[in-house]
Amino acid sequence: KQEVTQIPAALSVPEGENLVLNCSFTDSAIYNLQWFRQDPGKGLTSLLLIQSSQREQTSGRLNASLDKSSGRSTLYIAASQPGDSATYLCAVGDQTGANNLFFGTGTRLTVIP
Amino acid sequence: DAGITQSPRYKITETGRQVTLMCHQTWSHSYMFWYRQDLGHGLRLIYYSAAADITDKGEVPDGYVVSRSKTENFPLTLESATRSQTSVYFCASTGGDQETQYFGPGTRLLVL
Repeated sequence: KQEVTQIPAALSVPEGENLVLNCSFTDSAIYNLQWFRQDPGKGLTSLLLIQSSQREQTSGRLNASLDKSSGRSTLYIAASQPGDSATYLCAVGDQTGANNLFFGTGTRLTVIP
Repeated sequence: DAGITQSPRYKITETGRQVTLMCHQTWSHSYMFWYRQDLGHGLRLIYYSAAADITDKGEVPDGYVVSRSKTENFPLTLESATRSQTSVYFCASTGGDQETQYFGPGTRLLVL
């Protein structure tokens, strides 16, 4: 069974700082990896999707990398803003063809003005 | 409005009662999913569906029933609610296995 771990569970940074969120997974036979954002009391918003054949994806100030062989992914956020405060979830898609996702428990990010 | 919606948004019920959570999407996505989110466990897959009339179990299916008679709807039924089913339930959909999943706003369920 795929296990997904996100460390740290919580992170506080001052506004403007660059930061990295970490995700590790136990089974490298993945279909893809997704990063989501969740605001308190809300649903999940997809940020980036990396296919298993890709090494990274970028969207604006966000950059996600994938190293399947080591079972790791990182989400890099440049020039953080208070509006970036949220919980960030990493999810790994399995190879059943239905893209069932296995989620980590998330990193709660607080950007201090 | 286009998108994925869930109803009700909040529900309080009693142990032993049957509860149905509704999920509706307007994109005609093939795949639909039900997850539950609990502190310390993250999101876990309950059931998923690859198309109308095709459903399959996820990681935690016990105590739940699903159906998918129409592509756009994917209701989740708790046949006899238990306190351990108190959770936040999220529905999601995707057009294919190479695509991102889109999530609904969630249903907060409290079983007393």
